[in-house]
Amino acid sequence: AQSVTQLGSHVSVSEGALVLLRCNYSSSVPPYLFWYVQYPNQGLQLLLKYTSAATLVKGINGFEAEFKKSETSFHLTKPSAHMSDAAEYFCAVSVNTGGFKTIFGAGTRLFVKA
Amino acid sequence: ETGVTQSPTHLIKTRGQQVTLRCSSQSGHNTVSWYQQALGQGPQFIFQYYREEENGRGNFPPRFSGLQFPNYSSELNVNALELDDSALYLCASSLTSGDQYFGPGTRLLVL
Repeated sequence: AQSVTQLGSHVSVSEGALVLLRCNYSSSVPPYLFWYVQYPNQGLQLLLKYTSAATLVKGINGFEAEFKKSETSFHLTKPSAHMSDAAEYFCAVSVNTGGFKTIFGAGTRLFVKA
Repeated sequence: ETGVTQSPTHLIKTRGQQVTLRCSSQSGHNTVSWYQQALGQGPQFIFQYYREEENGRGNFPPRFSGLQFPNYSSELNVNALELDDSALYLCASSLTSGDQYFGPGTRLLVL
């Protein structure tokens, strides 16, 4: 079975500081991994994805994530936080096991302090 | 190119009623997935449709059903509504196994 665990329901950083949002996954087959962002009262927007190519994945808005198979992790980072980064972030895993299925984590709300 | 749209944006129903939510896929996308997002939680996968056939289902009871039409628009139907069905319902369209593009969601409140 597939699952996703996001460590920390809330993360607070100062503007300009490093952003690190943690995600661990469990999958019995090679997974596709994703990070999405959700702003209030909006749908989800894809930040980046891992599809078994390069382990370091660069996304939009300066975000990147590194796939570490040995640690079953896919943590999201951004070197310098901006006020506009304040939002809810979701890690997700997708697998095709006789039917397509995407599993999301519970989300991490990022707060950015001025 | 239009994005994914959903209707209605908000809906209030009472327990036991039935509801139909609609999703218009992004142009050219042949796959649609539906998710339930309860307050403070991540989206939960309900099911996916590919070329009008169900192509995967999450842990939701049969009273959650769907349709995909030849123009790839889609409906989510929920029968015998329960209070716990109150949530944001998201649809996402994609091209086969490509990137999913999410609509803004329909917020359902069951009283």
